Amino acid sequence: EAGVTQFPSHSVIEKGQTVTLRCDPISGHDNLYWYRRVMGKEIKFLLHFVKESKQDESGMPNNRFLAERTGGTYSTLKVQPAELEDSGVYFCASSQAWTSGELFFGEGSRLTVL
Amino acid sequence: DQQVKQNSPSLSVQEGRISILNCDYTNSMFDYFLWYKKYPAEGPTFLISISSIKDKNEDGRFTVFLNKSAKHLSLHIVPSQPGDSAVYFCAASATGSNYKLTFGKGTLLTVNP
Repeated sequence: EAGVTQFPSHSVIEKGQTVTLRCDPISGHDNLYWYRRVMGKEIKFLLHFVKESKQDESGMPNNRFLAERTGGTYSTLKVQPAELEDSGVYFCASSQAWTSGELFFGEGSRLTVL
Repeated sequence: DQQVKQNSPSLSVQEGRISILNCDYTNSMFDYFLWYKKYPAEGPTFLISISSIKDKNEDGRFTVFLNKSAKHLSLHIVPSQPGDSAVYFCAASATGSNYKLTFGKGTLLTVNP
C-alpha cells in the first residue's frame, strides 16, 4: 500500500513568488491534514479536510495560504505571495477516521523562501 | 504559548538500557496523547497512544505512562536499540478535535551501540 506522498520534496523560491505543494493521501482515506514545522518550532496544525470539505482551517496563518482538495482525492496548498517566515517543512497526513489522532504523515515538502 | 512541552532537546543512552522521554502539557482539555517517531527526511510515524482514562499503555518495548494530576506523560523504551535513534514527538488532542494534534518540539534520542 502506498503511503502519503508529497511533491515537491524541496522548493526554493524568492519572496513574493507563488508555490504550490501537492499531497496524495493514502487511498481510501477521507481525512487529509496539513501541518507545518517552522525551523526550531513545533509541528503545527494548519487544516483538516473531510473528503473535499474543509472541516477545520483554524490553523491557517493568513489569507496568503489556500488549500484545496477537489474531488476529495489529492490536495494542494498554495502560498501566494510567499514571505520569508513561510519557510519550513509542510507535512501532509491522512487517516480513515479522525477520532483517534493516529495520522499517517508524508515525508514533507521543505519550502525555502529567500 | 506552548501547550505541550518536551524540555529535553536530546537524550543519549546505551544500547540495552532504558530510554525515558518526558512530556508535560498545560491544557486540561487534552484527553488523548500520542508519541510519534521521526527519522531524518521522513515524516513522523505513529508509535503509541494513551487515553486519559488510562495511566499506562504498553506495546512491546514501548510503554507510555500518564499522570493526569501532574499533566505529565513519559515514554519508556526498554531495551533501547540503535534503530530507536530518532526524534520523538509528544502530541496531544482534545475530544471532538482529535485530528488536531498539538505537538511538542521533540526530543532527539541517540542509542549508542
